[in-house]
Amino acid sequence: DQQVKQNSPSLSVQEGRISILNCDYTNSMFDYFLWYKKYPAEGPTFLISISSIKDKNEDGRFTVFLNKSAKHLSLHIVPSQPGDSAVYSCAASAVNAGNMLTFGGGTRLMVKP
Amino acid sequence: KAGVTQTPRYLIKTRGQQVTLSCSPISGHRSVSWYQQTPGQGLQFLFEYFSETQRNKGNFPGRFSGRQFSNSRSEMNVSTLELGDSALYLCASSLEVEQYFGPGTRLTVT
Repeated sequence: DQQVKQNSPSLSVQEGRISILNCDYTNSMFDYFLWYKKYPAEGPTFLISISSIKDKNEDGRFTVFLNKSAKHLSLHIVPSQPGDSAVYSCAASAVNAGNMLTFGGGTRLMVKP
Repeated sequence: KAGVTQTPRYLIKTRGQQVTLSCSPISGHRSVSWYQQTPGQGLQFLFEYFSETQRNKGNFPGRFSGRQFSNSRSEMNVSTLELGDSALYLCASSLEVEQYFGPGTRLTVT
């Protein structure tokens, strides 16, 4: 039972345009959401997070939106740069589960020059 | 500030052997979590340690165990290795909710 899903395995975007990565979850106990970026042969790098009490969080070119009623979150990257090409994974945690993160399967983003 | 470090980076073991992996968290981080990453299953939570106590455990068999020392460094042990244990093992440390990952240990079981 996949509690966190990223339905698009890959996404291709032109440099300078917006990249939108999506994530859906099923567990209503999740109250904190994170996005990680991963290059091959490296550990995930933390990008941005959002608490369930907010619906938006911004950090430079990265914005995460949370729609609790739809159990959906998205990561927007504007403008996209070739260096953003990587696998992006969303993760969720629940207050009663300590620091256990449940990850989605990841979306490979390719930003073309 | 130094990041999370993991040793060794690569390891090859034979079925039936046991292995110990090590993780040094970011200075000041008291929580250390371990994850297994495989192509088929993605990132799966193994367990979390906080102040030398296991605080959470994922759905892995008892062959997978860990511990944390008073300096927050953590070790993970897998006994009676199986071919399916071949994976990238990632350690993450945290102060609050955001977890910061190390580069991982690539374990190959032959």
